[in-house]
Amino acid sequence: QSVLTQPPSVSAAPGQKVTISCSGSSSNIGNNDVSWYQQLPGTAPKLLIYDNNKRPSGIPDRFSGSKSGASATLGITGLQTGDEADYYCGTWDTSLSAGGVVFGGGTKLTVL
Amino acid sequence: QLQLQESGPGLVKPSETLSLTCTVSGGSISNPNYYWGWIRQPPGKGLEWIGSIYYSGSTYYNPSLKSRVTTSVDTSKNQFSLKLSSVTAADTAVYYCGRTRGLREIGYWGQGTLVTVSS
Repeated sequence: QSVLTQPPSVSAAPGQKVTISCSGSSSNIGNNDVSWYQQLPGTAPKLLIYDNNKRPSGIPDRFSGSKSGASATLGITGLQTGDEADYYCGTWDTSLSAGGVVFGGGTKLTVL
Repeated sequence: QLQLQESGPGLVKPSETLSLTCTVSGGSISNPNYYWGWIRQPPGKGLEWIGSIYYSGSTYYNPSLKSRVTTSVDTSKNQFSLKLSSVTAADTAVYYCGRTRGLREIGYWGQGTLVTVSS
């Protein structure tokens, strides 16, 4: 069971918008920045968002991130079939039991 | 462009020690802005952080794996390594190495290497 909670799956039609939630606690998201990763089938994860809402060079502005309290959200607009992937949130956790980098369980995005 | 490449045996016997090395190219492992980490992903499952190491040797480990994990860094070879002892089938996974900005996001990932634990 992951420290951060994500919905197992989301779906939307091409061109539409989708959001993926990531819920945590004060020991992780509540007091640390969140990053988001995209993992296309059979490939390594790729950084999409860091520091809650910043995009690395080369990531289109269709991808956005936000954080409020102990929850974070990834938004994807103008969905494309190439966006079909697993998406993971991650952050640092300061608790004794989970201390270190923690990830959500992942959300599978299907573009119908 | 920074590149990371994992290497090591793809098959390890139960109770033995898994050993992997990550070779960094296109950048120095001694850059003081970054940590170097290991992450694994069991087949069909999510990501699990194993641990991170600084070029000076300072380490952070996942509490659930800490008793079995050792990491090291070789700045002369621009490499860092992972050892996971007493492996079981539950340690079968794709193992990734990555570069972390401080102890924050993992900005660069290796392609990953599948390690199977089986007799």
